[in-house]
Amino acid sequence: NAGVTQTPKFRILKIGQSMTLQCTQDMNHNYMYWYRQDPGMGLKLIYYSVGAGITDKGEVPNGYNVSRSTTEDFPLRLELAAPSQTSVYFCASSYYQAGSYNEQFFGPGTRLTVL
Amino acid sequence: AQSVAQPEDQVNVAEGNPLTVKCTYSVSGNPYLFWYVQYPNRGLQFLLKYITGDNLVKGSYGFEAEFNKSQTSFHLKKPSALVSDSALYFCAVRDGSNTGKLIFGQGTTLQVKP
Repeated sequence: NAGVTQTPKFRILKIGQSMTLQCTQDMNHNYMYWYRQDPGMGLKLIYYSVGAGITDKGEVPNGYNVSRSTTEDFPLRLELAAPSQTSVYFCASSYYQAGSYNEQFFGPGTRLTVL
Repeated sequence: AQSVAQPEDQVNVAEGNPLTVKCTYSVSGNPYLFWYVQYPNRGLQFLLKYITGDNLVKGSYGFEAEFNKSQTSFHLKKPSALVSDSALYFCAVRDGSNTGKLIFGQGTTLQVKP
């Protein structure tokens, strides 16, 4: 049981390049989330998904896209990288059902630098 | 709107002393509160949560948190700090929707000195 895995661990992009951050969970969780972490700012929600085929915007979605074709995978796409997207990105998952208050499980993160 | 605040950027304690990391919240409705810890270059790890019931919640690694409704606080505590407790700590509150989304505080760095 690997939990939540993210690839790559590190990446350097040039301005205008694109990339996909991969996230996979093996806990059969229905809800998945993408956050970015900037120093002193806590975590900000980028996108989330409540199940395969269903995604929605979080607090800071501009410049990103997501898809959720399977329960396990929730990739995050950056189309035109900008320096403002330099950050550490975390994927998380949880099992949600009505009346439950389960915690989120986090991946190890992807450190992205845009130059 | 739900929000959470951690008023201290950094807390310094000596090993063996008790520690407190502060968190206050603002919610409409019942608060569902969480504490996470982040070690350097790692993801967040769940410590404990308050949903309902006893105001003192016990969690992992000897941590506990005290829920105080009148003061809208959820402070993280440990009776005796260890150097290995040095890390970044986040308080979070669940938003009022049925999406399980969490709203995080900005984090508090705990430094435990030998």
